[in-house]
Amino acid sequence: AQTVTQSQPEMSVQEAETVTLSCTYDTSESDYYLFWYKQPPSRQMILVIRQEAYKQQNATENRFSVNFQKAAKSFSLKISDSQLGDAAMYFCAYRSARDSWGKLQFGAGTQVVVTP
Amino acid sequence: SAVISQKPSRDICQRGTSLTIQCQVDSQVTMMFWYRQQPGQSLTLIATANQGSEATYESGFVIDKFPISRPNLTFSTLTVSNMSPEDSSIYLCSVRQGVDTGELFFGEGSRLTVL
Repeated sequence: AQTVTQSQPEMSVQEAETVTLSCTYDTSESDYYLFWYKQPPSRQMILVIRQEAYKQQNATENRFSVNFQKAAKSFSLKISDSQLGDAAMYFCAYRSARDSWGKLQFGAGTQVVVTP
Repeated sequence: SAVISQKPSRDICQRGTSLTIQCQVDSQVTMMFWYRQQPGQSLTLIATANQGSEATYESGFVIDKFPISRPNLTFSTLTVSNMSPEDSSIYLCSVRQGVDTGELFFGEGSRLTVL
C-alpha cells in the first residue's frame, strides 16, 4: 500500500517570502501522479499543482513550483512571493497510474500561516 | 473543470438519526468518490461510486453505516446512518473528469456536527 507523509504540521511565512512544504511517499510503482491541494477555511479543496512521475521536469504554476525527486520519493512544494491568500491547509496526494478508478491518497496536511 | 454542489453545506444532528448528503455535478462523470475529513485530520476515502454498480467501500467503512446511491452520471448521495458524535466530520464529494487528467475535483464539503 502506498503512504504519503507530510512531516510539517505547520509552517509560517512572511508576506513576499518563500516557503517550502515537504512530502514523501512510499510506492513500489514507477508510474503515478502526485498533487498538491490547498484547503482554505472555506473547505473547498483546490488543486494547486500536478506532477506526472514519468516527466522529469518539475511542474510550475505561477508562484507555485515543485521539486520532484523520484529516486528519493520526495515531492516538495515551494510557494514564492507568499500572499495572505495563500494561508490554508496544504495536502500532498498520490494516485497510482494503474488505478483506473482514480482515487487519491492524501497526506496529513501542512497548515501554512502567512504573516503581514 | 467540473462544478460540484453539495447539500447541505452544514448541519447539526442528534445522536441516532441519519442524514443524507447530496452531490450534484454539472457534467456527466463516471467515477464519484466520497471522502471523510475528521476534525483537524486528512481526507479518508469512504467509497467509490461508479454509475450502474454498487459502491465499493474502503476498509473500515460499511454499507449499512454509509449507504450510497448513484442513480445517474451527475448525482450521488451519501447517507450517514445512526449517527454518533464520532461521525462529526466534513464529508466531501469528488469526481474524476470524463477526460482523465489524473486529479479529482471536489465539492465544498458538508460539515456535520452530531450532538
